Amino acid sequence: AQKITQTQPGMFVQEKEAVTLDCTYDTSDPSYGLFWYKQPSSGEMIFLIYQGSYDQQNATEGRYSLNFQKARKSANLVISASQLGDSAMYFCAMREGPPSAGNNRKLIWGLGTSLAVNP
Amino acid sequence: EPEVTQTPSHQVTQMGQEVILRCVPISNHLYFYWYRQILGQKVEFLVSFYNNEISEKSEIFDDQFSVERPDGSNFTLKIRSTKLEDSAMYFCASSAQYEAYEQYFGPGTRLTVT
Repeated sequence: AQKITQTQPGMFVQEKEAVTLDCTYDTSDPSYGLFWYKQPSSGEMIFLIYQGSYDQQNATEGRYSLNFQKARKSANLVISASQLGDSAMYFCAMREGPPSAGNNRKLIWGLGTSLAVNP
Repeated sequence: EPEVTQTPSHQVTQMGQEVILRCVPISNHLYFYWYRQILGQKVEFLVSFYNNEISEKSEIFDDQFSVERPDGSNFTLKIRSTKLEDSAMYFCASSAQYEAYEQYFGPGTRLTVT
């Protein structure tokens, strides 16, 4: 079974509008972390936002927020006020288990969602 | 702002040749990783490295692969005898010990095996 599922291969959004990119995850570990990364066409991987499984509040970073619904095992990324520069691939990733010294830090990735922002 | 750097940005090699991909992690980070992304596919974990030894590796990371931190700043991935299916983007990442565990990625090395 897929650990990280991103069901939207491609999304379009109008500039200045908000968009939600879906991510569901599967783990039996009570401690885990969820990450979103952006990959522009130039190829680099840019960290956007992190949500820990025990965090009480949804994570926010500027125009990015994470809609964390633990019972549904979903961690959707919301981008507000889309900009042309937001056009990129977006990856959801998970770390399972608490990170101890040297262990349990690998990230498991989804297939990504390609976002196109229209002017 | 500190960043992870990788060299070269693009490497073309012939099947069976050895390649070394180089990375300079962020200087105060303690955990280092290699991931790869075959074109159009998901990112895959290869190996993590902490305290001068491998802490975790995937089934992809077989005997053809090795990692080294030769001098306290560089972190290298060696592929001993490249195969066509090793063609991919290889990302190095690093993370600190006590932050929110986010991993900071380098710009990647695109490896093309012909």
